[in-house]
Amino acid sequence: RKEVEQDPGPFNVPEGATVAFNCTYSNSASQSFFWYRQDCRKEPKLLMSVYSSGNEDGRFTAQLNRASQYISLLIRDSKLSDSATYLCVVIKGAQKLVFGQGTRLTINP
Amino acid sequence: DVKVTQSSRYLVKRTGEKVFLECVQDMDHENMFWYRQDPGLGLRLIYFSYDVKMKEKGDIPEGYSVSREKKERFSLILESASTNQTSMYLCASSLSGGLTEAFFGQGTRLTVV
Repeated sequence: RKEVEQDPGPFNVPEGATVAFNCTYSNSASQSFFWYRQDCRKEPKLLMSVYSSGNEDGRFTAQLNRASQYISLLIRDSKLSDSATYLCVVIKGAQKLVFGQGTRLTINP
Repeated sequence: DVKVTQSSRYLVKRTGEKVFLECVQDMDHENMFWYRQDPGLGLRLIYFSYDVKMKEKGDIPEGYSVSREKKERFSLILESASTNQTSMYLCASSLSGGLTEAFFGQGTRLTVV
């Protein structure tokens, strides 16, 4: 089993829709979680951290479910510019970043 | 702004060549990482370093080695390049503690022929 698993998609949704991704992780001792965004032919960049209490940044909401060992990302009122690959990241041990394979999202006009 | 710079955007090397990929960061980060990214496999950790001269193997270290003689520079070495090492290589850096953002370089697309 992979340490971090994501549905690779692709997800094709119309502009204005709400879309959600899940990511599961295998190490119950993991403490830190992030969502990164990667545009085509670009490097990954931090989208948001995921806290135990959940967190929201504008149209984006991240949640953590420790009991079921998954994190989620919800995008409301999706924009064309949200088209990207979304990478789930879990910190292993003290320092190592372990990435999921990414979920590809395309927002259609 | 944090800057992570990789020495080349594109490289073409021959099978059996020794290849050096260089990465420099300018924010005094303790941690540095080398990943490779392949379609359908995502980013896989090759090596990481949490301090000068310190290194740890990642998930796929075979065929690679690294060097960190100075805090700002982390080099990935392919001792004898093979075609299955054709990939996108990404360097990243972060502060120690694992709770902070990792910053990536722009990537090096390596083709081994």
